[in-house]
Amino acid sequence: NAGVTQTPKFRVLKTGQSMTLLCAQDMNHEYMYWYRQDPGMGLRLIHYSVGEGTTAKGEVPDGYNVSRLKKQNFLLGLESAAPSQTSVYFCASSDRGVGPYEQYFGPGTRLTVT
Amino acid sequence: GIQVEQSPPDLILQEGANSTLRCNFSDSVNNLQWFHQNPWGQLINLFYIPSGTKQNGRLSATTVATERYSLLYISSSQTTDSGVYFCAVNPRDNTDKLIFGTGTRLQVFP
Repeated sequence: NAGVTQTPKFRVLKTGQSMTLLCAQDMNHEYMYWYRQDPGMGLRLIHYSVGEGTTAKGEVPDGYNVSRLKKQNFLLGLESAAPSQTSVYFCASSDRGVGPYEQYFGPGTRLTVT
Repeated sequence: GIQVEQSPPDLILQEGANSTLRCNFSDSVNNLQWFHQNPWGQLINLFYIPSGTKQNGRLSATTVATERYSLLYISSSQTTDSGVYFCAVNPRDNTDKLIFGTGTRLQVFP
């Protein structure tokens, strides 16, 4: 089991460019999440999905879009990157809702927007 | 929304010392997890502990849900324990989200 993987690991963008981050999990989990972590802070939820074909907004969704076309993949898109989106992005998955089920995290993607 | 506060924000220990990290939360929760973020950024599950006490080797955790706090104990600390420790809670009114605290940064020196 690879668990949760993220692609790419690092990326540098210029302001206004677009990109897509890919998250993949091989645990057949229903729920998937995208978080961002800024220096000295905990993780904040951007968007999440409770199953294939579904998405929902988290705490900080502005400037991001997501898609869950396949159960094992969750894509995070930045249409027009801004310096404020410089952060480390983590993907996570869980078997069902967070309530009684543990979340498992990917290794992170470090994004810098200049 | 629910607030999650961790203390202390920073902790420096010598190898072999014991420590207690605290997590306070402002409202009822379904779930509480402790994570360790190692110096390479990887988040590692330590405990899923909505209530009661659990132990795993040198680490143990206690959650007193009625008083809205959780404690993480690290005994005989090692340099590999260094990193940031986060608690995260799942609010009672929303089973889909984890709300993270700002973490405790632990440095263990030989």
